[in-house]
Amino acid sequence: GAGVSQSPSNKVTEKGKDVELRCDPISGHTALYWYRQSLGQGLEFLIYFQGNSAPDKSGLPSDRFSAERTGGSVSTLTIQRTQQEDSAVYLCASSRLTSENKNSNQPQHFGDGTRLSIL
Amino acid sequence: AQKVTQAQTEISVVEKEDVTLDCVYETRDTTYYLFWYKQPPSGELVFLIRRNSFDEQNEISGRYSWNFQKSTSSFNFTITASQVVDSAVYFCALSDSGGSNYKLTFGKGTLLTVNP
Repeated sequence: GAGVSQSPSNKVTEKGKDVELRCDPISGHTALYWYRQSLGQGLEFLIYFQGNSAPDKSGLPSDRFSAERTGGSVSTLTIQRTQQEDSAVYLCASSRLTSENKNSNQPQHFGDGTRLSIL
Repeated sequence: AQKVTQAQTEISVVEKEDVTLDCVYETRDTTYYLFWYKQPPSGELVFLIRRNSFDEQNEISGRYSWNFQKSTSSFNFTITASQVVDSAVYFCALSDSGGSNYKLTFGKGTLLTVNP
C-alpha cells in the first residue's frame, strides 16, 4: 500500500491477556518506529528498528513489552499480561533512513494507529 | 536530554484569523531536526515540515509559514487566514543525530479549533 498500515484499528481486551499489534511500513523504508499516545503522557517513543535490528529499545516501559521485525518489513509489538495503564493508541512510523549519512533525516510517516483498551 | 515545549494547550480562533503556534526546544546536539505534524480528528499524524539546525531560513507553504530562530530555540508555526479544516492537534517534534536513530521527541501538542 501507499502508506503505513496498522492492524487492528481497535483492540479491546481483558486485563492480563496478551495482545499483538501489527505494523506494515511503507515499502522501501528501512527505519521503523513504535510510539504510544496517551492522554497523560502525550506521544512517547517506544522502540526503533533499522532493518530487522532494534538498536534502541529505550522507550519500552517494561519487560512485558517486546517487538520484532522480520524481512525488514512487518513489525509486531507484543504486550504480555496487559494492564489498564497500557490503554493507549499505539502508533507505528517508518522512514527512509540512511544511517551512514547523518544529514539525511527523512521524515517519519505514521499509520492510523491501534487504539488499545484494557478492561 | 531533549525537550519540546508547546506552551499553548488550546487555541480557539474564528475563521480567517491568523494564528501562531509556539514551539520551544532543548537539545545539546549541534545537529538536529525539527518537525511539525498535524493530527486531525481522524487520528493520523500528518507530516507538515522538517528543518535541520543548519538552515534557519523561514519557509512558507501556501497559508502555512514557519519561523525558526536558533537564538531563542524556537520553531513557531503560523497559519494565515485560518479555515475550519485547520482544526486539529498540532505537534512540534525534535530529533537529534545522537545514536543515528532519529527518534522523535514530541511536545504535548496544541489543540487548534477554528470556528466558522
